[in-house]
Amino acid sequence: NAGVMQNPRHLVRRRGQEARLRCSPMKGHSHVYWYRQLPEEGLKFMVYLQKENIIDESGMPKERFSAEFPKEGPSILRIQQVVRGDSAAYFCASSPPGDNEQFFGPGTRLTVL
Amino acid sequence: AQSVTQLGSHVSVSEGALVLLRCNYSSSVPPYLFWYVQYPNQGLQLLLKYTSAATLVKGINGFEAEFKKSETSFHLTKPSAHMSDAAEYFCAVRINTGGFKTIFGAGTRLFVKA
Repeated sequence: NAGVMQNPRHLVRRRGQEARLRCSPMKGHSHVYWYRQLPEEGLKFMVYLQKENIIDESGMPKERFSAEFPKEGPSILRIQQVVRGDSAAYFCASSPPGDNEQFFGPGTRLTVL
Repeated sequence: AQSVTQLGSHVSVSEGALVLLRCNYSSSVPPYLFWYVQYPNQGLQLLLKYTSAATLVKGINGFEAEFKKSETSFHLTKPSAHMSDAAEYFCAVRINTGGFKTIFGAGTRLFVKA
């Protein structure tokens, strides 16, 4: 059973471009969480999704950021018009229904030039 | 509001010495508590978790943590540090009230000296 997959592992964008980060949860997991880790800081919750539904997006910036978890395919975290402050590691985690343990992916390191 | 405080952003120990990483939480309801380890440029790996069963929880790599409700603490310990334990450690709390986000502490970087 493969773990949580994230791609790309590294992403470089220029200011104003769009960044798309993908997360494939573990098999059988229908819950996905996105976290952001700024340099020298802990992880900050961004959004919690179940298939086709956003359950909690209280940690998402109000503008430029969006997330989806379609019925088929990976979960996508989309950042429009990136700025230098968006440079961070973005981690995805997944869990099965009714379980409190989250399994983390290796992360996507976004660098905005 | 729920929160996690890790005392000490950096901890340095000698190889073979006791490792103690401190974590205090605040929660209005019984929490689920976790310790994760992160090696450079990698994701988080679960060390151990407390889910209201035994208060002393044993995890991987010889680590263990004790839940003390009276002190609202969940400190991580290991009797004898190895060089391979050098990493960043995160304490986290997840509150089972219908909200599912996990709150992480700021992390403690463990250095192990030869």
